[in-house]
Amino acid sequence: NAGVTQTPKFQVLKTGQSMTLQCAQDMNHNSMYWYRQDPGMGLRLIYYSASEGTTDKGEVPNGYNVSRLNKREFSLRLESAAPSQTSVYFCASSVRGSEQFFGPGTRLTVL
Amino acid sequence: GQQLNQSPQSMFIQEGEDVSMNCTSSSIFNTWLWYKQEPGEGPVLLIALYKAGELTSNGRLTAQFGITRKDSFLNISASIPSDVGIYFCAGQLHKAAGNKLTFGGGTRVLVKP
Repeated sequence: NAGVTQTPKFQVLKTGQSMTLQCAQDMNHNSMYWYRQDPGMGLRLIYYSASEGTTDKGEVPNGYNVSRLNKREFSLRLESAAPSQTSVYFCASSVRGSEQFFGPGTRLTVL
Repeated sequence: GQQLNQSPQSMFIQEGEDVSMNCTSSSIFNTWLWYKQEPGEGPVLLIALYKAGELTSNGRLTAQFGITRKDSFLNISASIPSDVGIYFCAGQLHKAAGNKLTFGGGTRVLVKP
């Protein structure tokens, strides 16, 4: 099993450009999450999907949208990237809720 | 929002030493988790704690769920160079919507030069 996979690993955008970060898990987990991690800080929840067909805002949702495409896939979209969105983005999944398993991250720079 | 305070923010280890770090909150949590993150990678789950007072080990790592349910501790015994990384605590409130976790700011573990 690959666990949680994320694409791309690195991305550089110009201000105002859009992009979608992809996440997939092969563990048959119900819940999926998107976090951002900024230097010297912990992980902050952007959006989550408790189950297929549902999505909800986390702590820092502004400027982002998500799609739970199916049970395996949960994408994060930046419609108009801003320098403040420069960060490392992590996707995670869980079956029982507490124990979340993380992907390797996408390192995004917005110029 | 909820905050978890981790201390120390950073520490230096010498091979063979035992080290400790902790995480405190103003709120009661039902679950405490400890993760380790190495450079360029995602956090990896080390230990999960589900009951107040619970003491759980994973190899050289031991974590405890505080009796007050507002804190947790992680100990690393006989540290080795590969223990270097950032250790995060995370807590889950009772019936948290979407089973959301709250993360601490991390303890950065470095090797003494």
